[in-house]
Amino acid sequence: EAQVTQNPRYLITVTGKKLTVTCSQNMNHEYMSWYRQDPGLGLRQIYYSMNVEVTDKGDVPEGYKVSRKEKRNFPLILESPSPNQTSLYFCASRPGGGVFYEQYFGPGTRLTVT
Amino acid sequence: DAKTTQPPSMDCAEGRAANLPCNHSTISGNEYVYWYRQIHSQGPQYIIHGLKNNETNEMASLIITEDRKSSTLILPHATLRDTAVYYCIVRVASSNTGKLIFGQGTTLQVKP
Repeated sequence: EAQVTQNPRYLITVTGKKLTVTCSQNMNHEYMSWYRQDPGLGLRQIYYSMNVEVTDKGDVPEGYKVSRKEKRNFPLILESPSPNQTSLYFCASRPGGGVFYEQYFGPGTRLTVT
Repeated sequence: DAKTTQPPSMDCAEGRAANLPCNHSTISGNEYVYWYRQIHSQGPQYIIHGLKNNETNEMASLIITEDRKSSTLILPHATLRDTAVYYCIVRVASSNTGKLIFGQGTTLQVKP
């Protein structure tokens, strides 16, 4: 089944403790991205990657890092999480090329930083 | 990307058609209309897209006005599982960032 998977689905952590949220897709998509969703603010793009070893900042990259060493994986790294990073996070992927219509989203990771 | 306006909420009786409107009066000629939905904090799900012509797939129909300034998503026979937030997004099909701008959407409540 074509899908985007994220782990963990739920995470409660403390301020400053480094964490990684993994994202993996099995559709051989070149493009992957991370969004966060907060009440009243909608979904905002954090980082995106157009292919292996190619990443770029989205609208809200502060406090996050990403890497794209393999096409299928795009982990989101919080080096020193803070309470304002408490949010619902989504990973998404789509085929490469300039024209696209459909993006595939993962199930979400609910992160709480205390 | 053009801005969209949607009603914040709508109700629909189960089995009836749900018609969700979207205004996009500043849409440009090369911008598409996309619809996604999000079922209670799950990942957004693509529904349908269109440029000028009306479109239909297994999930829904998309009706775009001739001047392209508004559109309507139609769920022909709504079920309880269609209760979700529906997002209308207008953007070009070609983009390096691939960013989708999700507004507040319309919360559709399907009632038995």
